[in-house]
Amino acid sequence: DAGITQSPRHKVTETGTPVTLRCHQTENHRYMYWYRQDPGHGLRLIHYSYGVKDTDKGEVSDGYSVSRSKTEDFLLTLESATSSQTSVYFCAISETGTSGSPLHFGNGTRLTVT
Amino acid sequence: AQKVTQAQTEISVVEKEDVTLDCVYETRDTTYYLFWYKQPPSGELVFLIRRNSFDEQNEISGRYSWNFQKSTSSFNFTITASQVVDSAVYFCALSGNYGGATNKLIFGTGTLLAVQP
Repeated sequence: DAGITQSPRHKVTETGTPVTLRCHQTENHRYMYWYRQDPGHGLRLIHYSYGVKDTDKGEVSDGYSVSRSKTEDFLLTLESATSSQTSVYFCAISETGTSGSPLHFGNGTRLTVT
Repeated sequence: AQKVTQAQTEISVVEKEDVTLDCVYETRDTTYYLFWYKQPPSGELVFLIRRNSFDEQNEISGRYSWNFQKSTSSFNFTITASQVVDSAVYFCALSGNYGGATNKLIFGTGTLLAVQP
């Protein structure tokens, strides 16, 4: 199994509060991704990183920010959580950024915004 | 635009039946990759297979087989002699080229497979 740890695994928070999810990898991979999984939508890309301090937006980035100060850590922040951000969040890593390099996923964080 | 369609939302079969999960994709790229992932009830996502656009050979791995047909833009997944442990949500995905990091997967909505004993 790829060494990817997401924390926390579960979180309940209130609308309007900031929330930070952490992804930690031990594979020294350059590329890291945050996806959210929702019924009827599959997985959708929020943000990704192609190196330390190098990040870019994905398909559903509004309301989210990311930071990557070290190769091994990729943080996802919900600046002011809303109920529409209730979801399961997955972090993924890949060894290269080339099309075809498989993504390996963490076990997910279930976030509930009340 | 790139898109992956998994029209089967849920499939229920009885153990030992064969089952095919459909995946249809859209892309304008000439070079692309297709993937299948499995998500068992425990929730993790498990990579199953990758296929590039230049290789239309079918692939078989034990009870699993994949049929890639560019002519119909399909990448279907067949499980032979299904088992209860095959119960999971299966996702088909396409590599998307947005420039920069090209390795961004576009996922279908998934097919829930329930294998009854």
